[in-house]
Amino acid sequence: QVQLVQSGAEVKKPGSSVKVSCKASGGTFSSYTFGWVRQAPGQGLEWMGGIIPIFQKATYAQKFQVRVTITADASTTTAYMELSSLTSEDTAVYFCAIKSPADSWFDPWGQGTLVTVSS
Amino acid sequence: QSALTQPPSVSGAPGQRVTISCTGSSSNIGAGFDVHWYQQLPGKAPKLLMYANTNRPSGVSDRFSGSKSGISASLAITGLQAEDEADYYCQSYDTSLSAHVFGSGTKVTVL
Repeated sequence: QVQLVQSGAEVKKPGSSVKVSCKASGGTFSSYTFGWVRQAPGQGLEWMGGIIPIFQKATYAQKFQVRVTITADASTTTAYMELSSLTSEDTAVYFCAIKSPADSWFDPWGQGTLVTVSS
Repeated sequence: QSALTQPPSVSGAPGQRVTISCTGSSSNIGAGFDVHWYQQLPGKAPKLLMYANTNRPSGVSDRFSGSKSGISASLAITGLQAEDEADYYCQSYDTSLSAHVFGSGTKVTVL
């Protein structure tokens, strides 16, 4: 059974960066896409971008193109999302999720990582 | 604002049927891209509820059904139960944004 486990909650200062990890287990993920989705408090889901580990090619939503870097280590089936120049508006839960090559839906999802940006 | 529009809330009494709409445009749903639905219980991660418009993953109750027509899609819940209280999101792909897009989300309340 495929499972995604994310790193723990973070508290960051404005202007700093945060890096969240997402480790997959229970399957073969070589050509799968690891996607990242953000959810601000009380708000909806927002796709940030994704990466296919074996190709090492990331794609980003336009809104996040400048400040987000998504990477992956195929050997450890782990994806990373780094967000820089943090502001209070980046306080949110960040989810990773997996998409198989031929499909367009995300399943399963990680448990989420709360990032709090506060001075 | 979201590329996919959903009503903020729907409600119904136990046992009733409710529907959630998801309206897009010619660059996403209307372009032929599939619509998927997720259920998010309070404090939890989203869970895939319906994929490729009308398909239920294993383990999802047959009280949930999906449809798609034109630039819109719908999720129906029949025999509403207290455990169905959650937020529901639609998702598709937008070719003009070159991005996966989510609906604005709908909160289902069981009266």
